[in-house]
Amino acid sequence: GESVGLHLPTLSVQEGDNSIINCAYSNSASDYFIWYKQESGKGPQFIIDIRSNMDKRQGQRVTVLLNKTVKHLSLQIAATQPGDSAVYFCAVDSGGYNKLIFGAGTRLAVHP
Amino acid sequence: DAGVTQSPTHLIKTRGQHVTLRCSPISGHKSVSWYQQVLGQGPQFIFQYYEKEERGRGNFPDRFSARQFPNYSSELNVNALLLGDSALYLCASSLRQNSGANVLTFGAGSRLTVL
Repeated sequence: GESVGLHLPTLSVQEGDNSIINCAYSNSASDYFIWYKQESGKGPQFIIDIRSNMDKRQGQRVTVLLNKTVKHLSLQIAATQPGDSAVYFCAVDSGGYNKLIFGAGTRLAVHP
Repeated sequence: DAGVTQSPTHLIKTRGQHVTLRCSPISGHKSVSWYQQVLGQGPQFIFQYYEKEERGRGNFPDRFSARQFPNYSSELNVNALLLGDSALYLCASSLRQNSGANVLTFGAGSRLTVL
């Protein structure tokens, strides 16, 4: 079945630097990819998504890159702020019914 | 606007007991999904309900069941609790049945501890 993995369980950055969080997936038929942010004591919060027919999508201070050749997904956060400190999950659409397959998450720590 | 609301926020049970968790979706959302998040891991899909019918089920034992009511709220029931059922149970709602450009909005979850 589909599996999703993240390259680093933790990432520590200085405030103002750019952050890059990586994710790998296994099913080449996956069509839809989403990044969620989860702060302590809260549920996951949608950040940005991308369809398989795209390789890049930009939001406010965030960019998602999709490389279908190597089945790799990344989230770039520009000018990282203390409020960006959270656990970030990539999730893959497994084919309907709102059944998302989540990775284990990367904890982003932003230091002043 | 109220988001997805879940109750209770925290609860403690002992092995063998039964638990019922409740979820109210965002107004107008007809689809409710349940996920289990064990500490240190990503959420894992349990169920999806749409228009009061089960539309998807994850790899969970029959001890787990759910239902959706006419007002689109939902309950997750777990029988014969095991220590391994200790987790954060997340409810998510969306407008339509299928994923894909159909953003799931999660509640804050119900944290279950089984002793």
